[in-house]
Amino acid sequence: DAGVIQSPRHEVTEMGQEVTLRCKPISGHDYLFWYRQTMMRGLELLIYFNNNVPIDDSGMPEDRFSAKMPNASFSTLKIQPSEPRDSAVYFCASSLSRGNGNTIYFGEGSWLTVV
Amino acid sequence: SQKIEQNSEALNIQEGKTATLTCNYTNYSPAYLQWYRQDPGRGPVFLLLIRENEKEKRKERLKVTFDTTLKQSLFHITASQPADSATYLCALDGANAGKSTFGDGTTLTVKP
Repeated sequence: DAGVIQSPRHEVTEMGQEVTLRCKPISGHDYLFWYRQTMMRGLELLIYFNNNVPIDDSGMPEDRFSAKMPNASFSTLKIQPSEPRDSAVYFCASSLSRGNGNTIYFGEGSWLTVV
Repeated sequence: SQKIEQNSEALNIQEGKTATLTCNYTNYSPAYLQWYRQDPGRGPVFLLLIRENEKEKRKERLKVTFDTTLKQSLFHITASQPADSATYLCALDGANAGKSTFGDGTTLTVKP
């Protein structure tokens, strides 16, 4: 299995620009998560989906952030307009719920720098 | 509010010794607790999961304990090696919640 695939791996953009991060979860997994990691705040859950439906978006910092999951094999996280404080590593992750606790498989992350 | 604390930001030990990392939580009743390893520039990787009704779990040189009375988990790496140097994160899951809440991690450095 290829694991969780994220793109782009690195992105540098100017303040005010739109940023779109993409994710392909592991085939068959029914949960998809978007996390953000910074030195100051650690690993924060932004939003998660179950069977393509957003379940909890309480971690999304503000309306500039949006996430979609149009099908079981693709999700996007969009920031519009981007700001320097959005600079962070954004991880997509997926898991298969079996009632035994959700082992989460992370992608390698998208490193975002907003200048 | 829910809070997860990992014992310290950094832990330095000598090769061959046992590393012990701590995860404490408050205002939470997790059904499961997990430990992950994260190397620089990489995503976290799952190591071990322990359920609330389990006291201890082992996997090779790794051992995890879970004390729901103390609200604490201990993560041990025995016979530590420089290759064990990484950041270790604990994560808590509720019984029915799909999401996991992560601690800030402890960076372990094993010196040869």
